[in-house]
Amino acid sequence: DAGVTQSPTHLIKTRGQQVTLRCSPKSGHDTVSWYQQALGQGPQFIFQYYEEEERQRGNFPDRFSGHQFPNYSSELNVNALLLGDSALYLCASSLGHSGNTIYFGEGSWLTVV
Amino acid sequence: KNEVEQSPQNLTAQEGEFITINCSYSVGISALHWLQQHPGGGIVSLFMLSSGKKKHGRLIATINIQEKHSSLHITASHPRDSAVYICAVRGGTDKLIFGTGTRLQVFP
Repeated sequence: DAGVTQSPTHLIKTRGQQVTLRCSPKSGHDTVSWYQQALGQGPQFIFQYYEEEERQRGNFPDRFSGHQFPNYSSELNVNALLLGDSALYLCASSLGHSGNTIYFGEGSWLTVV
Repeated sequence: KNEVEQSPQNLTAQEGEFITINCSYSVGISALHWLQQHPGGGIVSLFMLSSGKKKHGRLIATINIQEKHSSLHITASHPRDSAVYICAVRGGTDKLIFGTGTRLQVFP
C-alpha cells in the first residue's frame, strides 16, 4: 500500500512563474492538507481539502490555491512566485476528521531563483 | 511567542544515552503529535496523544493536558535516531500547529 506520494520531488522556478505540485493521499484517505516548511523552520499550514472543497486555510495569500479531485488527490498551485516561496512543500493525508493519524509525503522541494 | 515551543533546539548525545525532548503549547488541543523528519524532508508520525503515555519500542511519549506539556523520550539512543523531532498540536480545527523542531545527533 503506497503511502502519501508527492511530485515532483525537486524543482527550480524563476520569480514570477507559476508552479503546480501534486499529492496522492494514502489509500482510503479523503482529507489532504498542505504545509510550507522554510529552511530551519517548522511547517506552516497552507490549507486543507475535504470532499473536493477547501475546508480551512492558513495565513497565505491568494497566490496559493489548490484543488482536490474526486479520487482525493490534490494539487497546490502558486502563482507569481517570489524568492520567499522557496521551501519544502509537504502534503499530509488523513481519514475524515481530527481523531485520526496523519500521514506525510516526502515533500516537494521548490527553489525560486 | 510561538503557540508551540520545543526545547532544546539542538541536542547531541552519545550512543546509549537517554534522551528527552520537551514540548509546551499555549492553545487548547484535541491531540498532540510527535513527528520525525530526516534530512531528505519526509515526515514520519511517531505518536498521536490526547492523554497519558504511549510507548513504541525505545520511544516513549507523555502528555500532561493540565500543564500543556509533552515529552518525547528515547531510551538507549542510537545513531540512526539522528533526525529532527517535531511536536505538533491539533486545536479546535483540523490544522496542525508545529513547533520548530529539535535537531538530535547521536554519535557512536
